[in-house]
Amino acid sequence: AQTVTQSQPEMSVQEAETVTLSCTYDTSESDYYLFWYKQPPSRQMILVIRQEAYKQQNATENRFSVNFQKAAKSFSLKISDSQLGDAAMYFCAHPNSGGSNYKLTFGKGTLLTVNP
Amino acid sequence: KAGVTQTPRYLIKTRGQQVTLSCSPISGHRSVSWYQQTPGQGLQFLFEYFSETQRNKGNFPGRFSGRQFSNSRSEMNVSTLELGDSALYLCASSTGSSGNTIYFGEGSWLTVV
Repeated sequence: AQTVTQSQPEMSVQEAETVTLSCTYDTSESDYYLFWYKQPPSRQMILVIRQEAYKQQNATENRFSVNFQKAAKSFSLKISDSQLGDAAMYFCAHPNSGGSNYKLTFGKGTLLTVNP
Repeated sequence: KAGVTQTPRYLIKTRGQQVTLSCSPISGHRSVSWYQQTPGQGLQFLFEYFSETQRNKGNFPGRFSGRQFSNSRSEMNVSTLELGDSALYLCASSTGSSGNTIYFGEGSWLTVV
């Protein structure tokens, strides 16, 4: 069974600083995708960034970037220049085997607090 | 383009009752999946439908069921509600193809009393 582990239940960062959220996963697949979702107090899950495992280059989306270490099965999220609006629960997610994305396995989440 | 729409957003039911939640996917998306989110268990996959067929099912009792209509809209039903069914139910849609992103709705908050 696939597992996703987020070892940091809570993290805090000062506004404008950088924070890194950790995620490790387990899979037997060689080609797959990984996602980070953000869930603000409104509870809607919002895609932050996605990574394709066959791509060597780490994905970036504006202030958000990942450090993808395929051999270590590690997929951390770096948020640069943190803003108050970044405060949310962040979930790392991995699709089920076979490359299909219709079933995601989520980590337990990391609650990020941004201090002014 | 409209996002994933879930109705109702909030509802309160009594133990033993049943409930139906509705989800309208993003236009053009044929895959609809459902997740249950609770503080204790986190996010858990319920089931997924693609072109009116259930393709995968999570580890939930038979009281949880769903269906998808020809216009890709989906409903999930929970019968004989239990207190433990209180949760946020999230619907998500995608094209259903490998590598495509899954987009989520705002969820339906179910409270069972």
